[in-house]
Order: sequence, then structure tokens, then C-alpha cells
Amino acid sequence: DGGITQSPKYLFRKEGQNVTLSCEQNLNHDAMYWYRQDPGQGLRLIYYSQIVNDFQKGDIAEGYSVSREKKESFPLTVTSAQKNPTAFYLCASSSMGLVSEQYFGPGTRLTVT
Amino acid sequence: DAKTTQPPSMDCAEGRAANLPCNHSTISGNEYVYWYRQIHSQGPQYIIHGLKNNETNEMASLIITEDRKSSTLILPHATLRDTAVYYCTLGNEKLTFGTGTRLTIIP
Repeated sequence: DGGITQSPKYLFRKEGQNVTLSCEQNLNHDAMYWYRQDPGQGLRLIYYSQIVNDFQKGDIAEGYSVSREKKESFPLTVTSAQKNPTAFYLCASSSMGLVSEQYFGPGTRLTVT
Repeated sequence: DAKTTQPPSMDCAEGRAANLPCNHSTISGNEYVYWYRQIHSQGPQYIIHGLKNNETNEMASLIITEDRKSSTLILPHATLRDTAVYYCTLGNEKLTFGTGTRLTIIP
């Protein structure tokens, strides 16, 4: 059964701690993306990657870091430098580079207190 | 800068066609128009996309004006399961999502 998995669904952390969100896809997609969504808002792009070992900053990359060591995996680290980390985080992937529909995972809801 | 403008909310009667408008007056020549929808607390779902011509698939139809400055997503026979937030986005190197239209299907 192909798709994108994100884990965990809910994540709780104390302020000042780094936390890594997992995103895995078995769709053989080249491109992967991370978005952040705040209540009542649209999605904002954090980072994206078109190929392994390469990634670009999105609109709100400050306080976040990513890696793309494998085609299937694109983990996102929310660092302590991110001022308002509590949000709903969504991972997506697409084939054929960027002009293609994106498939989204179920999301991880991160709460930092 | 908002690249797309959508009404914040709309209602539609069950069984009728839902027409969702989107303005994108600053669209550039190589940007596609994409539509996604998001049901509460889930990941967005792709619906349809187009560049210049009208498009239709099993979910919806997309009408793009000749000047490409606006588009309309049409759900031909809305059901209660179509209640969601619908996002009109422009794509080239990356997608930019606005706040979308909250569509409520009324029984």
C-alpha cells in the first residue's frame, strides 16, 4: 500500500528541546516538502527537496533543519531557535520534480510547552 | 503577498453544483493552477490542476479564464463528504497556499 507516513501523530515537547519529525514515502517520488499550518491558516512551506542530498529553504525556514540522505525519507528537525514551534506539520511528496500533484501525509501535531 | 484570493466561506446545497472562484491576477506564464482540499485535521488532497485549458477529472472540473487571471473549481454534484477547506494554489517551483474557502454542503 503506497503512501506517505508521518510519525508520530501527536508530539509533545518542552521548550528548549530539539525535536525531529519523521516523513517516509514509498511512492518513488523525487521531490519532498515540509509545510507548517497554524489554526485557521493555510500551509506555509518550510523546506523542500528535489533530489537526494539537496534541499532548498521555503518561506519560513528559520528555526528548522532538514536532511535528505535517502530518496524515501525527509526528516524535519524543529530546533530550539524556532520561536513558535507549536503547529500542525505536513509532509508531502511529488514525482516529476515540481509540476505535479503533491501527495500529503496525515500530519504531526506538535505542542511545545 | 497573497498570490491567490478566495472567498473565506461558501455554502452549497447537497446535490447541486458547487462553484468555487479564485482570483490570481499576478499569475506568471509558466505557473499552473492547482486545487487541493483539506478535511479537518487531515493532510490536503489533490483535486485537479491546469495551465491554460479547462480540465476535468472524476472529482471536479477546472475552468480557467482566457487571460488566466481567475479560475473556478466546479464540483458537479456536491455531497456531504465534500465539506472541506478548498485551496487554490499556483505552482511552478513550489506551491503557495492561501487561507482557502471553507465549503459547507447543506443537507
